[in-house]
Amino acid sequence: DGGITQSPKYLFRKEGQNVTLSCEQNLNHDAMYWYRQDPGQGLRLIYYSQIVNDFQKGDIAEGYSVSREKKESFPLTVTSAQKNPTAFYLCASSIGGGLRETQYFGPGTRLLVL
Amino acid sequence: SQKIEQNSEALNIQEGKTATLTCNYTNYSPAYLQWYRQDPGRGPVFLLLIRENEKEKRKERLKVTFDTTLKQSLFHITASQPADSATYLCALDEGSARQLTFGSGTQLTVLP
Repeated sequence: DGGITQSPKYLFRKEGQNVTLSCEQNLNHDAMYWYRQDPGQGLRLIYYSQIVNDFQKGDIAEGYSVSREKKESFPLTVTSAQKNPTAFYLCASSIGGGLRETQYFGPGTRLLVL
Repeated sequence: SQKIEQNSEALNIQEGKTATLTCNYTNYSPAYLQWYRQDPGRGPVFLLLIRENEKEKRKERLKVTFDTTLKQSLFHITASQPADSATYLCALDEGSARQLTFGSGTQLTVLP
């Protein structure tokens, strides 16, 4: 089956710790995205990548970092600089690099702070 | 700043009726508007895309309208079913923008 996988489903972070959320896609899509969703709010863009080895900051990039070394993978690291990391994190991809295209989402990772 | 507003409250309707969800926007000139469905604890799923030069788009029981004068999109589900219960998100892309911006969603509950 083609699709986007995210792991883990739940992740717990201790204060001062960096954690990495995994996102993998086998759709052969060029573009990938990371969003954050807080209760009752829409999705806010953290980072996006339109091509391998290139990525751009979204609206709320502070405290996060990404890499795009392979087309199918776009991991997100939540650093200790992110003071309010508790949220639902969604990874998405689209066929082309254009941001107008339909986005396909993964199942999400819920990050909780201990 | 750019702003998207969806129905501010959850929407409850009776099975078999038509559900109408609203997406209003300000300070945008979107070239495209998309609607997604999101179930609790899951990622959104794409439903429909409508372009600025299209007035209406249909897919099975779904219909989307796009009024660029009113800066509004309406999303209709006809003959609604309890399985249609979910949160529905609208998303806009402006021609020159570098990202898709999502509304906060409307939670729809279809009562049997």
